[in-house]
Amino acid sequence: GAGVSQSPSNKVTEKGKDVELRCDPISGHTALYWYRQSLGQGLEFLIYFQGNSAPDKSGLPSDRFSAERTGGSVSTLTIQRTQQEDSAVYLCASSLRGSNTEAFFGQGTRLTVV
Amino acid sequence: KQEVTQIPAALSVPEGENLVLNCSFTDSAIYNLQWFRQDPGKGLTSLLLIQSSQREQTSGRLNASLDKSSGRSTLYIAASQPGDSATYLCAAPFSGGYNKLIFGAGTRLAVHP
Repeated sequence: GAGVSQSPSNKVTEKGKDVELRCDPISGHTALYWYRQSLGQGLEFLIYFQGNSAPDKSGLPSDRFSAERTGGSVSTLTIQRTQQEDSAVYLCASSLRGSNTEAFFGQGTRLTVV
Repeated sequence: KQEVTQIPAALSVPEGENLVLNCSFTDSAIYNLQWFRQDPGKGLTSLLLIQSSQREQTSGRLNASLDKSSGRSTLYIAASQPGDSATYLCAAPFSGGYNKLIFGAGTRLAVHP
């Protein structure tokens, strides 16, 4: 497939557990974004990767959240010790060269913390 | 700091109407502005990207305009159809570079037969 792929599509976890969310960007895209969308809310920026530059982590809500991007391609968003307020849809997007080029989104991962 | 605002928050129209969705941004030094559509429970679909050097972009029944000096963009939907029902979001890059996109809260559109 040529689009942005996210897995899993749905994840239910118990409070206090760690979770990993995966994003496969479009091949050749150097920029990758993670956003969070809580129920009925807008998109909240989490983290931005651009090539080999240091990521912009300014949107991560707490130190329980971290993300990495290996080899400039696949990215993993990790949430440690999940809380109920972490329940949301986590969306990943990629673009060819950053926000001056068109961004394409995956279908998201719906995370439910029970 | 870039802030993006969308008006109205919700809109309900009968099928066939032409309609305009509004997006305003605070930092006019943007490289582009992008419009997206989001269906319930789904990700975002890119509709149009307007570069700062352009004033408008068209795709089918959609036309987006950009006025950097006034900090505004509009999305015009011609001859609306029930299938156009979705949330429409605009996004502008954060101030000063090729980096993160800042989103408006969206306009929730319902087109009824």
